[in-house]
Amino acid sequence: AQTVTQSQPEMSVQEAETVTLSCTYDTSESDYYLFWYKQPPSRQMILVIRQEAYKQQNATENRFSVNFQKAAKSFSLKISDSQLGDAAMYFCAYRSANTGNQFYFGTGTSLTVIP
Amino acid sequence: ETGVTQSPTHLIKTRGQQVTLRCSSQSGHNTVSWYQQALGQGPQFIFQYYREEENGRGNFPPRFSGLQFPNYSSELNVNALELDDSALYLCASSPGQPLNEQFFGPGTRLTVL
Repeated sequence: AQTVTQSQPEMSVQEAETVTLSCTYDTSESDYYLFWYKQPPSRQMILVIRQEAYKQQNATENRFSVNFQKAAKSFSLKISDSQLGDAAMYFCAYRSANTGNQFYFGTGTSLTVIP
Repeated sequence: ETGVTQSPTHLIKTRGQQVTLRCSSQSGHNTVSWYQQALGQGPQFIFQYYREEENGRGNFPPRFSGLQFPNYSSELNVNALELDDSALYLCASSPGQPLNEQFFGPGTRLTVL
């Protein structure tokens, strides 16, 4: 089974500053998808950003961008101009493109935004 | 457009009992996945239903079972509850296959005493 590792249980950032959350994964496959999900204290998880492994260009969504390093199996999330509403648990997730529909999640990083 | 809903919000059961959790998928979505999220952990895949058929299963024992109905809503049933079954159970629906995006419900918090 694939494993997803988030080595930062907690992170904090000053409002308006930039923070980077780390994620590494282990797979022998070449075709897959990577995701960052946000889970605010209200619990409903929402998709932040998605990256297809076959794409070399890093995905961006407004203030959110990723640094996808396929050879290093690294997929970090950068949040620019951090806002109070960004405070949440962030989960990195992996899905194979070929071997089923199971998503593998990391253990999460709790992000605190300091006013 | 109504999002994914789950019921009940909270549930307390005792060891050995059985429980049924319910999920209404987002309109137009034919795929439902269930996850168990223990405290301080990421979600763990239990199983997925696509057009009323099981379409993948994680590493969970057979006492975890499910159903998907013609309207694509779904149930998760857990028999012979154990203390370790205490967790947040998340349902996620998707508009089809392949599964590139999931929309999560708010979850059901199950406590087993």
